[in-house]
Amino acid sequence: KAGVTQTPRYLIKTRGQQVTLSCSPISGHRSVSWYQQTPGQGLQFLFEYFSETQRNKGNFPGRFSGRQFSNSRSEMNVSTLELGDSALYLCASSFIGIGDYGYTFGSGTRLTVV
Amino acid sequence: QKEVEQNSGPLSVPEGAIASLNCTYSDRGSQSFFWYRQYSGKSPELIMSIYSNGDKEDGRFTAQLNKASQYVSLLIRDSQPSDSATYLCAVKGGTSYGKLTFGQGTILTVHP
Repeated sequence: KAGVTQTPRYLIKTRGQQVTLSCSPISGHRSVSWYQQTPGQGLQFLFEYFSETQRNKGNFPGRFSGRQFSNSRSEMNVSTLELGDSALYLCASSFIGIGDYGYTFGSGTRLTVV
Repeated sequence: QKEVEQNSGPLSVPEGAIASLNCTYSDRGSQSFFWYRQYSGKSPELIMSIYSNGDKEDGRFTAQLNKASQYVSLLIRDSQPSDSATYLCAVKGGTSYGKLTFGQGTILTVHP
């Protein structure tokens, strides 16, 4: 069973540019969440999508946005990049059903803003 | 007060010993609790989940949950050098769709 796939693995962008990251969840997982990980702040929740709807959003500026497609694949976009956006961006997927399930993370996209 | 706090590390134990990792959380409505292991340069890997008070065992790992004390722990028995990693405690509220709140992590080193 394939895991959560994130592309690209690495990105180098210039301040002011925008970037789009992609996440393909595990087959059958309809919930996709995004996190930012930095050495100083740790893992911080960005947003969650389920059935193409954003159900939850973390405390990030509007420059951070996302969407989910009908096949559950998700993208996140960061516009007007700042140096502080350099981080590891992680996507996690989960099965939604009766009870609660764990979240499986992808390998992440390492974004460097210069 | 941080929402999820883990015992400060780093934690160093000899091979074969028991490693004890602790976590407290502030939201009494939290319902799901997870332990993730993250090796340097890798993404977090789910190793244990627990939802009810008490103990849950899986191989060398035991998770313990005490909702009254708002406390969750992870015990690693017969620690191996391959267990050396950062361990992250994550908590999910009842209505927090998809949102895990993570502790800052505890770095564990198991020395031969």
